[in-house]
Amino acid sequence: SQTIHQWPATLVQPVGSPLSLECTVEGTSNPNLYWYRQAAGRGLQLLFYSVGIGQISSEVPQNLSASRPQDRQFILSSKKLLLSDSGFYLCAWTQGQNEQFFGPGTRLTVL
Amino acid sequence: AQTVTQSQPEMSVQEAETVTLSCTYDTSESNYYLFWYKQPPSRQMILVIRQEAYKQQNATENRFSVNFQKAAKSFSLKISDSQLGDTAMYFCAFMTLFTGNQFYFGTGTSLTVIP
Repeated sequence: SQTIHQWPATLVQPVGSPLSLECTVEGTSNPNLYWYRQAAGRGLQLLFYSVGIGQISSEVPQNLSASRPQDRQFILSSKKLLLSDSGFYLCAWTQGQNEQFFGPGTRLTVL
Repeated sequence: AQTVTQSQPEMSVQEAETVTLSCTYDTSESNYYLFWYKQPPSRQMILVIRQEAYKQQNATENRFSVNFQKAAKSFSLKISDSQLGDTAMYFCAFMTLFTGNQFYFGTGTSLTVIP
């Protein structure tokens, strides 16, 4: 069966520090991968999606970047965090005409 | 542009009663998929139910069913015999078959089941 992992689960970082969130998927190959951000009590904002290794599409201009160095690995990064980067980050995958499966999320607090 | 609208930010229902959550969407596509996701306090996103646009029959999963009105672009979720564990945020989502199979989510409805 397929599983999706995200780490860390919780992160507190100072403004101006770098960020690296990792997402890995097991039990499938060539998935579409997604990064979402969810502000408190709000909906999901799509940040990036990827249809293959090295292929990244960005939905909104921002302080973040994404990379897909391996088929089942998706990384969200920032060189310098802003206060506005605080939120709950969700990684998801899908394949074919199926629903998205979500990871457990990372709660990021920028102080 | 693809949009999903959930016009009810918050709802409540008595335990064992029935509640309906509304969702409308806008698309020019003819082939797409619709979903309802549940996000309990743990914040894990859980699929509740899915509907293929080409199917006229409404999807049903145990106590959960949808009313899919394609012409009206409406996709409501009915929860029967509400249980305390149904308390969660519910998101309506829409998927196109464009590159990346992009999903579009509504802003969510916070449902509280009252004992």
